[in-house]
Amino acid sequence: DTAVSQTPKYLVTQMGNDKSIKCEQNLGHDTMYWYKQDSKKFLKIMFSYNNKELIINETVPNRFSPKSPDKAHLNLHINSLELGDSAVYFCASSRGTVATYEQYFGPGTRLTVT
Amino acid sequence: AQSVTQLGSHVSVSEGALVLLRCNYSSSVPPYLFWYVQYPNQGLQLLLKYTSAATLVKGINGFEAEFKKSETSFHLTKPSAHMSDAAEYFCAVTGSNFGNEKLTFGTGTRLTIIP
Repeated sequence: DTAVSQTPKYLVTQMGNDKSIKCEQNLGHDTMYWYKQDSKKFLKIMFSYNNKELIINETVPNRFSPKSPDKAHLNLHINSLELGDSAVYFCASSRGTVATYEQYFGPGTRLTVT
Repeated sequence: AQSVTQLGSHVSVSEGALVLLRCNYSSSVPPYLFWYVQYPNQGLQLLLKYTSAATLVKGINGFEAEFKKSETSFHLTKPSAHMSDAAEYFCAVTGSNFGNEKLTFGTGTRLTIIP
């Protein structure tokens, strides 16, 4: 059983389009995250939700909007895609917001904007 | 605020040789430190973590790391490299911040194993 799953795995789209990435975890965790990994492998947090409530919102363009319909799901919608949005997006989850809790990562979604 | 610096974006070692990946941290609060591994085309997986208990931390796949406060370091080691250790390794730091904890990652070190 996949603990943290993301769909799609690959996403190729043109500038200006709107796209969504879905994430689901079956670990019973309360906290979920979105990370962006750029072409140099640098990994940076974008958002974090705890029990469907937004708790971390880094400096991310308003074009990015996360939505958590329930504790097990955290989706990422991106409007008006730009070339610079090309990256690998990782979803992760943890038991809670305590700093020592391990984060479990999904396999990533490679977004290519042309 | 917290940050980590990983020295060496690429490290190559021979199979059977010692693996040493360097990580130095900066933190305004007592840090919690992590090493994650990323195999090609996969997500990150936790190798080990330091959470203010024992300073020498043992992880999966024979890896270990030692927290040295005086040197602000948390270097990752493995006595004998295996071909399957080839991957990208990330050091990360966080600290107790009243429920707003977030992981800050280093820039990663790509480990190559030479047969």
